[in-house]
Amino acid sequence: DAGVTQSPTHLIKTRGQQVTLRCSPKSGHDTVSWYQQALGQGPQFIFQYYEEEERQRGNFPDRFSGHQFPNYSSELNVNALLLGDSALYLCASSSWTVHYNSPLHFGNGTRLTVT
Amino acid sequence: SQKIEQNSEALNIQEGKTATLTCNYTNYSPAYLQWYRQDPGRGPVFLLLIRENEKEKRKERLKVTFDTTLKQSLFHITASQPADSATYLCALNQAGTALIFGKGTTLSVSS
Repeated sequence: DAGVTQSPTHLIKTRGQQVTLRCSPKSGHDTVSWYQQALGQGPQFIFQYYEEEERQRGNFPDRFSGHQFPNYSSELNVNALLLGDSALYLCASSSWTVHYNSPLHFGNGTRLTVT
Repeated sequence: SQKIEQNSEALNIQEGKTATLTCNYTNYSPAYLQWYRQDPGRGPVFLLLIRENEKEKRKERLKVTFDTTLKQSLFHITASQPADSATYLCALNQAGTALIFGKGTTLSVSS
């Protein structure tokens, strides 16, 4: 039973470029949340997707956008990259019906470096 | 604004001792509190969940307490081992909201 998978594992981009990160949720899960984790910090909530719609959003600019596909997989897009976007991007999956009182299952993240 | 504070960035203890990590929150009324473990370069792994109407939860060598009056949770690892060395994250959410994380405490257990 595959857990949450993310790709790529590492990525190096230049300021101003655009990036797309991908996530496949754990089997049986239908909800995907994205988090940004800067070095030495805790994960910060970006947004959450269910039924192909953004359900909640954290305090992130519109440069951060996402998408969820009918198979529940998800993408995170970041436009006009800034140096400060360098971080570990984590995808977490859960089941919508028990989402708020059940644990999140995380992937191992994509390490994005912006130069 | 809502804030979650984990009392120290780093905690060093000897093998066999009990590690106690603290999580405090302000301007928040969480319905659920969770603890996660994170190893370097890996995603967080769920350890324990406790609800606002529960005082204590145990799982093997782990124990979590939740005091909504003090707005505090304590996370204990008894008989600690070097393999317990990792960063431990406290996370909270209210019903209908996303899970919010603290900065984490890095535990080092020396043999």
